[in-house]
Amino acid sequence: AQKITQTQPGMFVQEKEAVTLDCTYDTSDPSYGLFWYKQPSSGEMIFLIYQGSYDQQNATEGRYSLNFQKARKSANLVISASQLGDSAMYFCAMREGRDDYKLSFGAGTTVTVRA
Amino acid sequence: NAGVTQTPKFQVLKTGQSMTLQCAQDMNHEYMSWYRQDPGMGLRLIHYSVGAGITDQGEVPNGYNVSRSTTEDFPLRLLSAAPSQTSVYFCASSLSSREGYEQYFGPGTRLTVT
Repeated sequence: AQKITQTQPGMFVQEKEAVTLDCTYDTSDPSYGLFWYKQPSSGEMIFLIYQGSYDQQNATEGRYSLNFQKARKSANLVISASQLGDSAMYFCAMREGRDDYKLSFGAGTTVTVRA
Repeated sequence: NAGVTQTPKFQVLKTGQSMTLQCAQDMNHEYMSWYRQDPGMGLRLIHYSVGAGITDQGEVPNGYNVSRSTTEDFPLRLLSAAPSQTSVYFCASSLSSREGYEQYFGPGTRLTVT
């Protein structure tokens, strides 16, 4: 079974607007963590944000915030005030248990920011 | 710090050839992993290591070998390349198994097997 599901293969967003990228996950482990990575066209993987399963508050990092809904098993990434440089592929990933070095990735969502 | 480095950046192999993808990190990270990225499938874990001398299989280990003789290096060996191994390969390292520590990724190696 797919552990991470990203249902939006591609999205367009207008510059300066907010965009929400969906991510749902499947695990029976009570301890898990959710990561978002950005992959620009140059190919490198850039860490954006992390949410632990026991964290009480939603994670935020600058213009990135994670809308964590534990009961629904969703961890959506919100990018506020989109910039042209946000155009990239975005991956949601999960570690289960305490093993941060073993991640399961979703298929990714391509975001294109329009001027 | 150079971070995580990978060589080569690009490689073309013929079916049946063998080769080693190199990965090195200078951050003294205990944990290192290899992933492959295929279109529409995200990244999948091939092998990982929790320290020098300790390796284990990930989700898609068939056709690949690894070893970890030093903390810094974690090479990935393709024993007999197959077209199904055409992919982009990423090496990653992380400081700790404690939750929240991000994995640092190398720039990737794009491998084509003909």
